[in-house]
Amino acid sequence: DVKVTQSSRYLVKRTGEKVFLECVQDMDHENMFWYRQDPGLGLRLIYFSYDVKMKEKGDIPEGYSVSREKKERFSLILESASTNQTSMYLCASSPQTGGRFGANVLTFGAGSRLTVL
Amino acid sequence: QKEVEQNSGPLSVPEGAIASLNCTYSDRGSQSFFWYRQYSGKSPELIMFIYSNGDKEDGRFTAQLNKASQYVSLLIRDSQPSDSATYLCAVPLSGGGADGLTFGKGTHLIIQP
Repeated sequence: DVKVTQSSRYLVKRTGEKVFLECVQDMDHENMFWYRQDPGLGLRLIYFSYDVKMKEKGDIPEGYSVSREKKERFSLILESASTNQTSMYLCASSPQTGGRFGANVLTFGAGSRLTVL
Repeated sequence: QKEVEQNSGPLSVPEGAIASLNCTYSDRGSQSFFWYRQYSGKSPELIMFIYSNGDKEDGRFTAQLNKASQYVSLLIRDSQPSDSATYLCAVPLSGGGADGLTFGKGTHLIIQP
């Protein structure tokens, strides 16, 4: 019954490494999101996409990029990982339709906890 | 930038009592408000949303909205230990919804048996 799947639950990387976080949803949702969650800072939006090959910056895009080549897959890329990117990364998706507020009903994946040493 | 404020808690409530969680928001133009629940080590899940002034009930949960005062509340009646979690209040970044939600930092609720 898993609907949003994040490929890695735990990752440990070194400073300067390129990191890929993968997210796949099977609900045919148009909208996909990447958030990071940190103690005391809450959930913060990194990037989002409302269509294939479309991407928009969220509140904290610096140091990240994204890729959406297929509707079901949204990848977060850390070009050169830094220690301040140690965090829990949450992918989410929502439908474009589904009523007036359907687009705001986010389904989250289980999260990817990234540690950068 | 839209902001959502919540008391981080922890809020401790005895089992069977009413838990009251509050949230204020900065953008007077916000139209809809969402409550998500996050258990420790898990991802957030939607509880309910509200867009009209007044109360909206769903089982033991009641959302209350006061747009004039820019606050929204979540009441949990007959609180159970399984309600212990962090509750996140959120507003859409835009009316269309395709650009996601801004979340508050959450209130940690503890239901004491």
